[in-house]
Amino acid sequence: NAGVTQTPKFRILKIGQSMTLQCAQDMNHNYMYWYRQDPGMGLKLIYYSVGAGITDKGEVPNGYNVSRSTTEDFPLRLELAAPSQTSVYFCASSYPRDQMNTGELFFGEGSRLTVL
Amino acid sequence: ELKVEQNPLFLSMQEGKNYTIYCNYSTTSDRLYWYRQDPGKSLESLFVLLSNGAVKQEGRLMASLDTKARLSTLHITAAVHDLSATYFCAVDRDNAGNMLTFGGGTRLMVKP
Repeated sequence: NAGVTQTPKFRILKIGQSMTLQCAQDMNHNYMYWYRQDPGMGLKLIYYSVGAGITDKGEVPNGYNVSRSTTEDFPLRLELAAPSQTSVYFCASSYPRDQMNTGELFFGEGSRLTVL
Repeated sequence: ELKVEQNPLFLSMQEGKNYTIYCNYSTTSDRLYWYRQDPGKSLESLFVLLSNGAVKQEGRLMASLDTKARLSTLHITAAVHDLSATYFCAVDRDNAGNMLTFGGGTRLMVKP
């Protein structure tokens, strides 16, 4: 049962570098999300996708980009990394909320990113 | 803007005691989610409350939802050390999708 898989688990970046956080799910969920969690805080939504080819901004999208070419994958791209992007990033997926499904999110293990 | 507020933010309690965590939110929503997070780990779904008056129980935890008061509670009965974790509530941002807005979390520490 892989569920939601994120890579890498840890990464240190220098200011101005770029990188991509990978996320894959094998539950055939339509919806996928990227959240960030700063120390001692709740989660904030960065981007989300309701299906392949469709993405939209969440609460804190600046400095990030996403793509959704397949149902399974939802990579998060950081361009020109800044210290403010030091955080733990969680990818999640779900079925649409409807009569059959609760809309419950399933989370990956997280990717801890430090920008120095 | 949807606001989700939890209190207390930090709770230290003795084993065997009871306590309640509160989750208030600022918009109409007919469902609410509770998650648990152990230190350095991911979030695990605890409860999904689907309608006004919903009550769910699992072991020593019981969650309820009052949509009219925009309030959910997570009650802990006879706490044990294994319940030590951070608990988050989350609410749909638009009540029609899955874009959850999370509270700041309640860090629970249960002392032997």
